[in-house]
Amino acid sequence: AQKITQTQPGMFVQEKEAVTLDCTYDTSDQSYGLFWYKQPSSGEMIFLIYQGSYDEQNATEGRYSLNFQKARKSANLVISASQLGDSAMYFCAMSASAGSYQLTFGKGTKLSVIP
Amino acid sequence: DAGVIQSPRHEVTEMGQEVTLRCKPISGHNSLFWYRQTMMRGLELLIYFNNNVPIDDSGMPEDRFSAKMPNASFSTLKIQPSEPRDSAVYFCASSFLVETHPGELFFGEGSRLTVL
Repeated sequence: AQKITQTQPGMFVQEKEAVTLDCTYDTSDQSYGLFWYKQPSSGEMIFLIYQGSYDEQNATEGRYSLNFQKARKSANLVISASQLGDSAMYFCAMSASAGSYQLTFGKGTKLSVIP
Repeated sequence: DAGVIQSPRHEVTEMGQEVTLRCKPISGHNSLFWYRQTMMRGLELLIYFNNNVPIDDSGMPEDRFSAKMPNASFSTLKIQPSEPRDSAVYFCASSFLVETHPGELFFGEGSRLTVL
């Protein structure tokens, strides 16, 4: 079974600063996928970034990057140049295999961006 | 393009009543998922369909819950009878197999259920 751990219930960051949201995972699968989703106060879930377990380079999508450390089983999300609109819940998730759609989610981290 | 559409957005009902949540996935997507979100348990996968066929319903809490997908453009999640512990936000999500983003689920805005 897969398990996702997000140890930071809440985080604060100054506007325009970078912030790292932690995520560790546990799986016995060799092939898996890691994802980050954003949930603003309006409630919808927004896909941010994906990393496959066999991808050698860290994934990047605009201001989002995923710091993937396979040996440590961590997949931290880095948001550069924080904006007020980044205030939201952030969920780390993983799939059982890189081609699977069954996502297991962490409990989330609430990010608050301070002006 | 229209996203995943869920209805109702909010539902308040009394214990013992039947509740039906509805979902219209994105046109062309071949997989549909029902998730439940609570403060205590976070996001839990209840069931998912591939090409309208239920693939894994191991997350369905008990027999009071049932889900159907009669065609590619519609799915329902039914709770009968409902109980206060079923109060949660229920999300529907859909996806289409894309090699570069195999797990990119597109979520609806959720249906917030309150059972009194």
